[in-house]
Amino acid sequence: EVQLVESGGGLVQPGGSLRLSCAASGFIFSSFDMHWIRQAPGKGLEWISYISSSGTTIYYGDSVKGRFTISRDNAGNALYLQMNSLRAEDTAVYFCAREKYDSNDYSTGGGDYWGQGTLVTVSS
Amino acid sequence: DIQMTQSPSSLSASVGDRVTITCRASQSVTHYLNWYQQKPGKAPRLLIYTASSLQSGVPSRFSGSGSGTDFTLTITSLQPEDFATYYCQQTYSTPLTFGPGTKVDIK
Repeated sequence: EVQLVESGGGLVQPGGSLRLSCAASGFIFSSFDMHWIRQAPGKGLEWISYISSSGTTIYYGDSVKGRFTISRDNAGNALYLQMNSLRAEDTAVYFCAREKYDSNDYSTGGGDYWGQGTLVTVSS
Repeated sequence: DIQMTQSPSSLSASVGDRVTITCRASQSVTHYLNWYQQKPGKAPRLLIYTASSLQSGVPSRFSGSGSGTDFTLTITSLQPEDFATYYCQQTYSTPLTFGPGTKVDIK
């Protein structure tokens, strides 16, 4: 069974840092691209970062570029999001998601499995 | 960045109704359009990928159509478990962007 379990969320002061983790199991983690998506309380979904299966290709959303860093440990089946210079507007539930591939094994950009999310609250 | 809009923003429907949700992109995304369902306190669930492909395990009452800038999600016979918020997402170019969502509730 595919499982993604996020951890590392919590309360942090503005300007502070936090590192989120996403533990993957039930599939060959090293073969899948991964995403981080967040959702502010009562708001919609916002894609924030992507990392290829090898870790060589990385993209970020405009709102987090220069402040957040995505990484992965394929040997340890884990995805990470290092968040620096946190702002009140970064308050959200953060989800990790596995890339969906189509029947020809092409990336679709979507997420077919998601974790349950971890809440990050940025407040003084 | 590609902007996504959805209409309506909310709708009320009854069990058994046919429901159609529209998503529009600010520029062509070809067929790189996904649909998700989200219930309160839960992670989103992928329903449709690449505009019209049904994700494994999703009931066949869900279907997607469209290409370019205009897309539609249709639920042919609404069931009690379908009351939720639905999001479209373009994956044609980064940053990947979601629509604002359409909330489907009980009439």
